Amino acid sequence: EAQVTQNPRYLITVTGKKLTVTCSQNMNHEYMSWYRQDPGLGLRQIYYSMNVEVTDKGDVPEGYKVSRKEKRNFPLILESPSPNQTSLYFCASRDSLGEQYFGPGTRLTVT
Amino acid sequence: QQPVQSPQAVILREGEDAVINCSSSKALYSVHWYRQKHGEAPVFLMILLKGGEQKGHEKISASFNEKKQQSSLYLTASQLSYSGTYFCGTESGSARQLTFGSGTQLTVLP
Repeated sequence: EAQVTQNPRYLITVTGKKLTVTCSQNMNHEYMSWYRQDPGLGLRQIYYSMNVEVTDKGDVPEGYKVSRKEKRNFPLILESPSPNQTSLYFCASRDSLGEQYFGPGTRLTVT
Repeated sequence: QQPVQSPQAVILREGEDAVINCSSSKALYSVHWYRQKHGEAPVFLMILLKGGEQKGHEKISASFNEKKQQSSLYLTASQLSYSGTYFCGTESGSARQLTFGSGTQLTVLP
């Protein structure tokens, strides 16, 4: 089954404790991205990657890191999480026609 | 800069029509439309490329006026399953960065 998977689905952590949210897709898509979703603000792109070893900043990259060492994986790293990074995070991959497939989401709470 | 969606919310009866608008201050390369149901991930509806092409998907269609940097999503004969939040996303220039609007909450009542 074609899908985008994210782990963990739920995470509660404390300020400053480094964390990684994994994302994997099995559709051989070159384009992958990360979004955060907050009430009233819609989906905001954090980072995107058009291919392996190529990453670009989205609208809200501050406080986040990404890497793209393999086509299928695109982890999101929060080196020192802060409470304003409490949000719902979506990973997505996109095919050559532009259709984007979202993962199920990761709900992160930083206390 | 986020595209602007209007209206922010709309309530319909089953069978009624709705239009959701999306406008940008930037010259657009493409407009994407997604629907998100409560507690779920967004789902792709359609993409419109520069050229003013109108696309259709069942009873949901969209247009893209590249001169005005506007797109509209048309939902005809609404069904209960159309309820959800609709987002437009825009790409401009050569960058493939996708910027979404803040969404339009659509509720279809029986």
